[in-house]
Formats: sequence, C-alpha cells, structure tokens
Amino acid sequence: QKEVEQDPGPLSVPEGAIVSLNCTYSNSAFQYFMWYRQYSRKGPELLMYTYSSGNKEDGRFTAQVDKSSKYISLFIRDSQPSDSATYLCAMTLLISNFGNEKLTFGTGTRLTIIP
Amino acid sequence: ETGVTQSPTHLIKTRGQQVTLRCSSQSGHNTVSWYQQALGQGPQFIFQYYREEENGRGNFPPRFSGLQFPNYSSELNVNALELDDSALYLCASSTIQGGYTFGSGTRLTVV
Repeated sequence: QKEVEQDPGPLSVPEGAIVSLNCTYSNSAFQYFMWYRQYSRKGPELLMYTYSSGNKEDGRFTAQVDKSSKYISLFIRDSQPSDSATYLCAMTLLISNFGNEKLTFGTGTRLTIIP
Repeated sequence: ETGVTQSPTHLIKTRGQQVTLRCSSQSGHNTVSWYQQALGQGPQFIFQYYREEENGRGNFPPRFSGLQFPNYSSELNVNALELDDSALYLCASSTIQGGYTFGSGTRLTVV
C-alpha cells in the first residue's frame, strides 16, 4: 500500500464549476500537507500548505486537512481554463536531526476545465 | 520565474551508459533534493544534500549518486542506465525551514 493515495483522474469539469481533489495517507508522522500544481513540461509549483486539521483559504483555493481520518482535500471555486493542470498532493516527513524533510507525493490528478 | 535551473532539458541515452544532470539552486538555499517522476506518477524522492553531504535517501540503488557544491549547484549521476530510468528528474532547493522551489526538470529517455 502506498503511503499517499490520490484519487485517479483525469477529471474534466465545465468552467465555473467547483472542483474537489482528494488524497488519503497512512503515515501519522507526516507533518505538513501541501498541494502542488504542475503544468505540462514544468516542475511542480506550490499552491498551498497547511500543518493542522481544518481549512485554509487562499483566493479561489481552499485546502482542508482531517488528521483523524488521514484525509486531505483541495477545493477550487469558480474554476478557470487556466486551472487546467495536474494537481499533486504532497506531505513532508522529517529525515534528519537537522530538521530536513522529504516530500512524499500522490500520483497526481489531471484536471481539465472546459470553457 | 523559478530560481532553480536544470540542464539539460532533454536527454536521450542508451541503456548501460552513464548520465549527469545538473541543477543550479536558488541563492541561499543550502538544501537540494532530487526527485524522479515517471510518466503519470508523482515525484519519488531520490536523495537530499545538505551542506554538501547526503542527508537522506529514498528507495533508489547506489548507481544513483549526487554531489552538492558550495556555489549552490548540484549534480545527479546515474550509472548503468536502465530503460526504467526514463523519467523526468526534478531538482528542488530549499532552506532548512522548508519551502521547496522546483526546477522544470530534465526529461531523460533511455533507449
């Protein structure tokens, strides 16, 4: 079983719709929970990160973490064609006494917003 | 515009050959991590360098090795290339507090 499971795509929705992307995880040692956006032929770009259970809003994006259920979500409101990309959930894990961390990613969900 | 630059952008190698990928990290970022992203998959952690020492390693064989230099540049070396090594290789730089910045990656094709 993978440490991080992400709902498979691809996902196509009409412009203006609300998008829900989800991941589950099994390792309770994960500390920070992140969502990255990756456009074709580009590296991942950090969208949002959060540490504790609850919601965090940033414009049209809301990240939600439920540590008791080991479940995280990203909601995109008023979706735009420019939101079309692959969305990756990621979680950090300490790997040294210096405080260094590594990222564990989900497989990614490819999202297409249809104009 | 990302502060992390990777070269080359694309590379084709033959099975059994060796390859070196390069990364120029964001100034002030003393930690560099390398990830392998196979097609349709999320990035997988290869290893991390902190202050020019390997600081953690994922589930990759020893033929994957790296170097980090004082000028914030780093290298990923892969020996005895296999077909399954075909992937996008991503470099990410960060400070000790986190906050990763990814490069655009090097797409390696092994034939």
